[in-house]
Amino acid sequence: DAKTTQPPSMDCAEGRAANLPCNHSTISGNEYVYWYRQIHSQGPQYIIHGLKNNETNEMASLIITEDRKSSTLILPHATLRDTAVYYCIVRASNSGYALNFGKGTSLLVTP
Amino acid sequence: GAVVSQHPSWVICKSGTSVKIECRSLDFQATTMFWYRQFPKQSLMLMATSNEGSKATYEQGVEKDKFLINHASLTLSTLTVTSAHPEDSSFYICSAPDRKDDEQFFGPGTRLTVL
Repeated sequence: DAKTTQPPSMDCAEGRAANLPCNHSTISGNEYVYWYRQIHSQGPQYIIHGLKNNETNEMASLIITEDRKSSTLILPHATLRDTAVYYCIVRASNSGYALNFGKGTSLLVTP
Repeated sequence: GAVVSQHPSWVICKSGTSVKIECRSLDFQATTMFWYRQFPKQSLMLMATSNEGSKATYEQGVEKDKFLINHASLTLSTLTVTSAHPEDSSFYICSAPDRKDDEQFFGPGTRLTVL
């Protein structure tokens, strides 16, 4: 799996968009970008994933640069419940393998 | 999405005793399940891969005789921490891939405290 780099922490005001960056400059052509989050003392939760096109679902949007070396997870209207550690993971689309969690970004949404 | 449950959600035990943690896939079958461990303020670390009908595979540095894994059915994997010591106190999380959806689903975790 390609290595990812994320800022250790970010703050965001409630109601504003939270933009979480991730660098993955060594990503290979068959690797997807996955985002998970972990709310304190809970198991990780899947958010979204993509290969090269931008993706959107009910939770978030994923913007992947054209060269695929970086991506941004966007929570359009952050709420206090979005306070969590967000993990960007790059891997081939093969559910038979475990996920390699880095340190992630600790997002704090403030009132 | 698919649901993975863990039991118990938390457990406190005395040093030297054994503790069993169950991981169940509730609405799909999982021939493979993964066990992770997470210490405070750290990320999840993969401990082992549980394979239905065969032996588990362990990550480097994880003692297979201490962390016994049994995957007896397509919906259940168990992790037994044998002769637990305070340094085994941690948050244990399992996950199971749903091949149909090509996603991994995580259990809610089990908080183990060894006194």
